[in-house]
Amino acid sequence: NAGVMQNPRHLVRRRGQEARLRCSPMKGHSHVYWYRQLPEEGLKFMVYLQKENIIDESGMPKERFSAEFPKEGPSILRIQQVVRGDSAAYFCASSPFDTIAKNIQYFGAGTRLSVL
Amino acid sequence: EDQVTQSPEALRLQEGESSSLNCSYTVSGLRGLFWYRQDPGKGPEFLFTLYSAGEEKEKERLKATLTKKESFLHITAPKPEDSATYLCAVQATADSWGKLQFGAGTQVVVTP
Repeated sequence: NAGVMQNPRHLVRRRGQEARLRCSPMKGHSHVYWYRQLPEEGLKFMVYLQKENIIDESGMPKERFSAEFPKEGPSILRIQQVVRGDSAAYFCASSPFDTIAKNIQYFGAGTRLSVL
Repeated sequence: EDQVTQSPEALRLQEGESSSLNCSYTVSGLRGLFWYRQDPGKGPEFLFTLYSAGEEKEKERLKATLTKKESFLHITAPKPEDSATYLCAVQATADSWGKLQFGAGTQVVVTP
């Protein structure tokens, strides 16, 4: 019973490059969430997606960041023209959302992004 | 503005020394409160969810309680394997179903 799978686990990029982070939700889960954890800070919500739909992107920076969850394949968090301030751990979570009471988010191990 | 505050920031316990972690929140309406455990280099692991004041949940040495303004995570007779950062998160009625607001966490170290 595979959990939420994120890859790569570690990603190093130089300033100005693009970073693509992938997330495969747990089997049977159709809702995906992305969070960012900056050093010495708590987890911050970024975006909530269902298949082919962005439900809530209130936590996404206005520029350079985008997310998608296509009909087939993993969810992708894309950061264009990375800057040093983007260095953080990015976590993906998924949930089945079959009932309100069961909307528990299960997290992956995260992708650690380092921008040189 | 919604806030989730956890205290203390860090807690050092002797094995068997029971203690409590606090999570206070200010949101216009609470849909649910969640406790997670996070080990270094790993993602948060779900522990409990609480929905209404007076509710309690228990799992092994952990017990979570909820009032109208705060939640407590009680650790009874902890063992070294209980060492972790414990995260509290709230889901507010004003937010989408997907948005959790996390506190900064309490880092717990249990020594033998």
